[in-house]
Amino acid sequence: GQQVMQIPQYQHVQEGEDFTTYCNSSTTLSNIQWYKQRPGGHPVFLIQLVKSGEVKKQKRLTFQFGEAKKNSSLHITATQTTDVGTYFCAGQPLAGSEKLVFGKGTKLTVNP
Amino acid sequence: DTEVTQTPKHLVMGMTNKKSLKCEQHMGHRAMYWYKQKAKKPPELMFVYSYEKLSINESVPSRFSPECPNSSLLNLHLHALQPEDSALYLCASSQGGLYGYTFGSGTRLTVV
Repeated sequence: GQQVMQIPQYQHVQEGEDFTTYCNSSTTLSNIQWYKQRPGGHPVFLIQLVKSGEVKKQKRLTFQFGEAKKNSSLHITATQTTDVGTYFCAGQPLAGSEKLVFGKGTKLTVNP
Repeated sequence: DTEVTQTPKHLVMGMTNKKSLKCEQHMGHRAMYWYKQKAKKPPELMFVYSYEKLSINESVPSRFSPECPNSSLLNLHLHALQPEDSALYLCASSQGGLYGYTFGSGTRLTVV
């Protein structure tokens, strides 16, 4: 079945360093979404990427969707302690599908 | 109102108990979801309701019974649960298709 791999599982950085998490799908995706879950919290929607090769930015966060629509990345520039949490990618295999397949997530810790 | 509200926030129940989890959204979203999340794991899809009809059941045991009384409400009825069913149960809603999900804060369930 549909699988979305995400690496690394954990990432510890010093405040001010950059951070990147990568997702790879076993099949072509209709779109990919990114969520952030703070410790003890619930997933919060960050962004959705739909087009092949798409790049979107939100302040210090840069999201990319691969040309083949099978991989994606989230890059955070100059991390801050408020960036702490687990970042999940989630792929939607078919347009209009109700099913969202989550990656295992990358847990980011930031040392002040 | 841009929130998904879940009650209760915490629930402890015995293996012979019957309880219900409730979820409410007033964003006019046509799709509603139940997810189960174990510690340090990604959310795992259980059920999807689209236009108040059950559209996806991810082979969930019958001790979990979903109900969608109207377009704003989603319930999850629990009966004869096992300790391994202890988890965070998340409700989410979306406009469906190419839009992100709005998650509730979840019900942290402990089965004793």
